[in-house]
Amino acid sequence: SQKIEQNSEALNIQEGKTATLTCNYTNYSPAYLQWYRQDPGRGPVFLLLIRENEKEKRKERLKVTFDTTLKQSLFHITASQPADSATYLCALDEGYSSASKIIFGSGTRLSIRP
Amino acid sequence: EAGVTQFPSHSVIEKGQTVTLRCDPISGHDNLYWYRRVMGKEIKFLLHFVKESKQDESGMPNNRFLAERTGGTYSTLKVQPAELEDSGVYFCASSQDPLRENRETQYFGPGTRLLVL
Repeated sequence: SQKIEQNSEALNIQEGKTATLTCNYTNYSPAYLQWYRQDPGRGPVFLLLIRENEKEKRKERLKVTFDTTLKQSLFHITASQPADSATYLCALDEGYSSASKIIFGSGTRLSIRP
Repeated sequence: EAGVTQFPSHSVIEKGQTVTLRCDPISGHDNLYWYRRVMGKEIKFLLHFVKESKQDESGMPNNRFLAERTGGTYSTLKVQPAELEDSGVYFCASSQDPLRENRETQYFGPGTRLLVL
């Protein structure tokens, strides 16, 4: 069956460290993989998109890798801050059309302690 | 620029009643999506409009759910009659013209929290 798994429900790390979140998928062939941030009571906010032919993408303190052989994406936040505390969602887009639905993982709740 | 807005923010209804959720996408966005998160589960796709046409409604759970987007602007999602398992958070998202070169991200609204008692 098709599955998207994010490494853990919750991750708690010390401020200043690098947070690494994992997304594994099975029985999908995503053309794009996206990461979203969601704060309580709000909708998901887009952070980064990486294409199947890209290995790595960076944006400020964020870095995403995409390994289609391992069927895995890693999401890194360097120099983490308490304001980075949120739920982070991995999402796949199989790219069948130029604009199509997103398939979400269940998310990892990240807490950065001062 | 105003983001995606949804109304109401919360709704509490009894089983068997009807509820209508509204989504106003970002102005100029042709693509409009509905998603739902039920308790403890991941966000799941319901359907996708391109302008006023339903492009993909494969995620609609059953015929108690009816989505419309008359005129290609705002959209409504009606649940009639509501059942207990319909409780959850309903998100709307929008994105721009699909013919743009770059894959267009989706912008999400804050969601409508629906509780069916």
